[in-house]
Formats: sequence, structure tokens, C-alpha cells
Amino acid sequence: AQSVAQPEDQVNVAEGNPLTVKCTYSVSGNPYLFWYVQYPNRGLQFLLKYITGDNLVKGSYGFEAEFNKSQTSFHLKKPSALVSDSALYFCAVPDTHSGNTGKLIFGQGTTLQVKP
Amino acid sequence: DAGVIQSPRHEVTEMGQEVTLRCKPISGHNSLFWYRQTMMRGLELLIYFNNNVPIDDSGMPEDRFSAKMPNASFSTLKIQPSEPRDSAVYFCASSWAGGVYEQYFGPGTRLTVT
Repeated sequence: AQSVAQPEDQVNVAEGNPLTVKCTYSVSGNPYLFWYVQYPNRGLQFLLKYITGDNLVKGSYGFEAEFNKSQTSFHLKKPSALVSDSALYFCAVPDTHSGNTGKLIFGQGTTLQVKP
Repeated sequence: DAGVIQSPRHEVTEMGQEVTLRCKPISGHNSLFWYRQTMMRGLELLIYFNNNVPIDDSGMPEDRFSAKMPNASFSTLKIQPSEPRDSAVYFCASSWAGGVYEQYFGPGTRLTVT
């Protein structure tokens, strides 16, 4: 079965420092991977996705994610964190067992706290 | 595009009352998803539709919950009767299910049942 895991409930970083939010996956077939962000009192927003090609995917708000097939990981990164990056981050994979319906399986989420 | 539209944004109701949440997906999208989010349980998929047909409602917690999608531009999630444990934020999301496409989420409806 397709699944993703986010091993950290919370990540704390200081403003200006690099940040990493971790995600590992377990999929059959080609891995397609997504990152979403949820700011307080808002819906989830799409950040970026990996389908194929370059292992480094660039997304919105200066975020990028590195696909690593050998480690089955898709960690979200940003070179310099901002206080405004504080939010809840979700990793996701398509549920291929449901056919081509667009259903995603989300991780449990990681809270990112950026301190001034 | 206006994005996914949900109404109402906030709903406060008393236990036992019927609650109806509404969603208008992005035009052209053919899959629609209803989620519930709470601190305790996180983000849960309740039900989803593809081409207006319910595909999987296994996430619907009880028979008190029902969802419909009468056409491609409108869906409802109904709770009857409501209970305090139904208090949560309910999200609707839509996507184009023709490949590997992202879902777009609405702003959510915050439901409080007293």
C-alpha cells in the first residue's frame, strides 16, 4: 500500500537558518510525491510535486524538495527560514489503488516553528 | 479562478440540529474530496467523488453523515443530527483526475456544535 511518514511532529529553527522537514515514502511503482503547507486558519496549499526528472524540485515561497530514491525520502528544504514560514506541512502520495481519481494519502503533518 | 469555495465559513449550532456544508469545486475539476481536521485526529478523508459519483465513503464516521454531488459544480456534506464531537474544520478539495495532479483546498468550514 502507498504511504508516507513524517517522523517529526515539530521542527524548530531560528530565522535565517536552513530548514528541513522530513518525509519518507513507501510506494509501488513510480513515486509521485507532493508537499503541502497549511497556514493557521487556512486550507492546505500546494507547494511542489515530484513526478520525474531532476531530483531537486523547486516550489512556491522559496521551498524545494530533494527526491532520494535510495533512501525513499522526499525532504522539504529552504536555505533561509522566515518567521512567516511557521505552519503545518504535509507530505502526500497518490493512492494508486483507487485508480486514477486524484486521491492523495497524506502524512500526519509536521509543525514548523521559526523563531526570530 | 476563484478557487474552491466553501460556505459557510463558520457554523455554530446546537446538538441535534442538522448542519449542511457546501462546496463549489474549481471549474473543470472532476474529483472532489471532503476532509475533516481536528487536533486529536488530524486530517481525515471522509468521502470523495469522481465525475459526480461517490467512490469511497469509508471515512464517513457514522450514518449521521451524508454527502451528495448533484452536479459537477456543487457538493454538500450533511450532518443530521449533529453532536459536539462533530466539531472540527471541514475542508473540501478538488482536482483533475487525469494524471498526477494536485488537489486544491477550500478555506474550510469551522463547525462548532454545542
